[in-house]
Amino acid sequence: QKEVEQNSGPLSVPEGAIASLNCTYSDRGSQSFFWYRQYSGKSPELIMSIYSNGDKEDGRFTAQLNKASQYVSLLIRDSQPSDSATYLCAVGRGGYNKLIFGAGTRLAVHP
Amino acid sequence: DVKVTQSSRYLVKRTGEKVFLECVQDMDHENMFWYRQDPGLGLRLIYFSYDVKMKEKGDIPEGYSVSREKKERFSLILESASTNQTSMYLCASSFPPPGTSGTSTDTQYFGPGTRLTVL
Repeated sequence: QKEVEQNSGPLSVPEGAIASLNCTYSDRGSQSFFWYRQYSGKSPELIMSIYSNGDKEDGRFTAQLNKASQYVSLLIRDSQPSDSATYLCAVGRGGYNKLIFGAGTRLAVHP
Repeated sequence: DVKVTQSSRYLVKRTGEKVFLECVQDMDHENMFWYRQDPGLGLRLIYFSYDVKMKEKGDIPEGYSVSREKKERFSLILESASTNQTSMYLCASSFPPPGTSGTSTDTQYFGPGTRLTVL
C-alpha cells in the first residue's frame, strides 16, 4: 500500500461544475495535509493546507479532512479551464516538515 | 513573496559526468529539500537539510550527495551521472525549525525545477 494514494485520472469535468479530488493516507499519526497544483512543465504551487478535521474554504477551493477515515479531499467549485492541471496531495511525516506526496490526479476542465 | 531559484531549467549531461544542481532561497528558511519527479511516481525525496552543514537522507539517496555550506544555498550532486537519473529535479524550502510540525508554517515552497537529461 502506498503511503499517499490518489487516483491518477484524468478527471474530466465540464466548465462550471464541481471537481472533487480525493486522497487517502496510511500514517494515522499524520498531522498536516496539503494540496498543490502543478501545471505541465511547472513546479508545484500550494493551494491549501489543512490541519484539523472538517472543511476549510478559500475562494473556490474547499479542503476536507477526516482523520478517522484517513482521507483528505479537495473540491473546486465553478471549475474553469485554467484549473486544468495535476493536483498533488501531500502529507506531513516525521520531523523537519518532511512531506510525502501522492502521484497526483490530472484534472481536465472542458468548455 | 518566497523565492526559490534553481541554477538551470534544462541540463544535458553525459553518463559518468559529475553534475551539480544548485538551489537558493531568499527567505532565511531553515529547511531545504531535493526531490525528483518522474511520471506516475510523484515527487520522491532525495535529501533534505535542516540547518547549515546538516543533512539527512530521504527515500532515494543512492547516487546522490548534497552540500549546504550557507543557509540560503543547497546543492545536489550526482557523483557519476547515469541514464536512470534523467528526471525533473525540484528544490523546496520551508521555515520552521524541527518540532513545530502541524502549524501553518509547514508549507514547502518550490523552485522552478531542473529537467536533467543524462545521455
